[in-house]
Amino acid sequence: DAGVIQSPRHEVTEMGQEVTLRCKPISGHNSLFWYRQTMMRGLELLIYFNNNVPIDDSGMPEDRFSAKMPNASFSTLKIQPSEPRDSAVYFCASSPQPQETQYFGPGTRLLVL
Amino acid sequence: EDKVVQSPLSLVVHEGDTVTLNCSYEVTNFRSLLWYKQEKKAPTFLFMLTSSGIEKKSGRLSSILDKKELSSILNITATQTGDSAIYLCAVKQGFMGSSGDKLTFGTGTRLAVRP
Repeated sequence: DAGVIQSPRHEVTEMGQEVTLRCKPISGHNSLFWYRQTMMRGLELLIYFNNNVPIDDSGMPEDRFSAKMPNASFSTLKIQPSEPRDSAVYFCASSPQPQETQYFGPGTRLLVL
Repeated sequence: EDKVVQSPLSLVVHEGDTVTLNCSYEVTNFRSLLWYKQEKKAPTFLFMLTSSGIEKKSGRLSSILDKKELSSILNITATQTGDSAIYLCAVKQGFMGSSGDKLTFGTGTRLAVRP
């Protein structure tokens, strides 16, 4: 199994640009999670989906952030417009069932200049 | 507000030492507590604890949950330089009427093991 796949692995962009992060969960996993990790705030859950449906988006920082899961094998996290304070590592994780262990992707390191 | 607190924030030990990492929590709808190890990449899963007082072991690592004290400890014996990492504690919460669980992470304990 390839594990959770995220792309791009690194992204550098200028303030005001749109950024799209992509995630492919492990095949057969029904739950997908987006996290952000910074030195100041540690690891934070942004949003999670179950069976492609958003269950809890209370961690999404503001309206500039949006996430979609159009099918069971693909999810996106979009930031528009991006700001320097969005610079962080964004992780995607998936789990087979809601109550089971989450497996993390390698992360996308985002730098907004 | 849900809260997961880890201590110490950082720790430096020598190879062969034993370390104990702490995690305390205040959350609603507690389901389980998880420990992760994070080196330079994504977190990797170590343990999931659901029942109080039952120790889980994996090699030199062990962990136990105390639901009365709302806390957990992670022990590492005979530490090695390869144990150097950030150790993250996370609490899984379940929500009525939803089929998804939520994870709340602590800020982690940064462990450095010197040769």
